[in-house]
Amino acid sequence: NAGVTQTPKFRVLKTGQSMTLLCAQDMNHEYMYWYRQDPGMGLRLIHYSVGEGTTAKGEVPDGYNVSRLKKQNFLLGLESAAPSQTSVYFCASSPPGRTTYNEQFFGPGTRLTVL
Amino acid sequence: GNSVTQMEGPVTLSEEAFLTINCTYTATGYPSLFWYVQYPGEGLQLLLKATKADDKGSNKGFEATYRKETTSFHLEKGSVQVSDSAVYFCALNEYSTLTFGKGTMLLVSP
Repeated sequence: NAGVTQTPKFRVLKTGQSMTLLCAQDMNHEYMYWYRQDPGMGLRLIHYSVGEGTTAKGEVPDGYNVSRLKKQNFLLGLESAAPSQTSVYFCASSPPGRTTYNEQFFGPGTRLTVL
Repeated sequence: GNSVTQMEGPVTLSEEAFLTINCTYTATGYPSLFWYVQYPGEGLQLLLKATKADDKGSNKGFEATYRKETTSFHLEKGSVQVSDSAVYFCALNEYSTLTFGKGTMLLVSP
């Protein structure tokens, strides 16, 4: 099993450009999450999904959109990138059940720089 | 809302020293508590967890006890190794989403 994978690993954008980050998991997990990690800020939740076809906003959703068309994939889109979106983005997934107990499994991250 | 507060780093120790990283939380109900570790250039990995008051989570020599009365979940290890150098995140889960602390960098020298 590959676990949680993220594509791409690195990306440089110019202000105003758009892009999509792909997260894929092969563990048949129901829940998927997108976080951003900034120095001194820890990880902050952007959006999450509790199942195929569902999405919900997290702590810092502005400027991002997401889609969960297939259970194994969770896409994060930036429609018009801004320098404030320079960050490391992590995807995670977790199984169903008593969800507050469940471990989240993290991908390796995508480092995004917006110039 | 929920929040997690961790001691600021970096924490610098010599090999075989005792480690404590403090973590306190604020939650409205009864969250589960976690410690995650992030090695350089990698994603986060679960280190240990506790799901109810007085539970002790342990893994790889690390321990943390869920203290409801002090709303704390301090991470301890009796003898650190150079390979323990990483960033440690305390987190809580109350409504299926994790709330993280800002992370504490640990640097262990030989």
